Amino acid sequence: AQKVTQAQTEISVVEKEDVTLDCVYETRDTTYYLFWYKQPPSGELVFLIRRNSFDEQNEISGRYSWNFQKSTSSFNFTITASQVVDSAVYFCALIATFQGGSEKLVFGKGTKLTVNP
Amino acid sequence: DAGITQSPRHKVTETGTPVTLRCHQTENHRYMYWYRQDPGHGLRLIHYSYGVKDTDKGEVSDGYSVSRSKTEDFLLTLESATSSQTSVYFCAISDSYGSLGAEAFFGQGTRLTVV
Repeated sequence: AQKVTQAQTEISVVEKEDVTLDCVYETRDTTYYLFWYKQPPSGELVFLIRRNSFDEQNEISGRYSWNFQKSTSSFNFTITASQVVDSAVYFCALIATFQGGSEKLVFGKGTKLTVNP
Repeated sequence: DAGITQSPRHKVTETGTPVTLRCHQTENHRYMYWYRQDPGHGLRLIHYSYGVKDTDKGEVSDGYSVSRSKTEDFLLTLESATSSQTSVYFCAISDSYGSLGAEAFFGQGTRLTVV
């Protein structure tokens, strides 16, 4: 079965601190995709990144970086020099191809990040 | 922004009444999903569709049914609403994940309250 675990329910940091959000996944498929979404207090879900199972290169986008390690089934997200605007709930998600071609997008429970001034 | 619209955005209904939520897309994407979001549970998949008239259950499908008679519309029906179905409902769409790994786009959400 597919499963995404975000063990950190809530994290609170002070502005300019670095923070890492953990994501551990389970799947039997060899082809799969991993995602991170941001949900700010306004409620919409904002796509941040996707990574396929064949690409273990780390990615950096401004203050955001992602570390994908298949050996530990982890896809962690780091925010460098956090800002108050980073306060949100962050979701990790997994999609894999099932027999017959159907695909499901499964989410973790989310990590609520609060960045205090 | 992806063309995905949920309606209604807010609804209050009484226990035992039927409710239908609509998700409409203009992207011609194959996959459509309904999720519910509750505190402490994140987003949980209710039902999803991988084509017209092709649907399957997610992890919390009891009490819900869906229909997809056209590519652009995916309807979620609560046959007899209960207070435990009070939640925020999100629709998502995506193209085939195949080798493209397309992202899923989400609607703005529908806040449903069952009293």
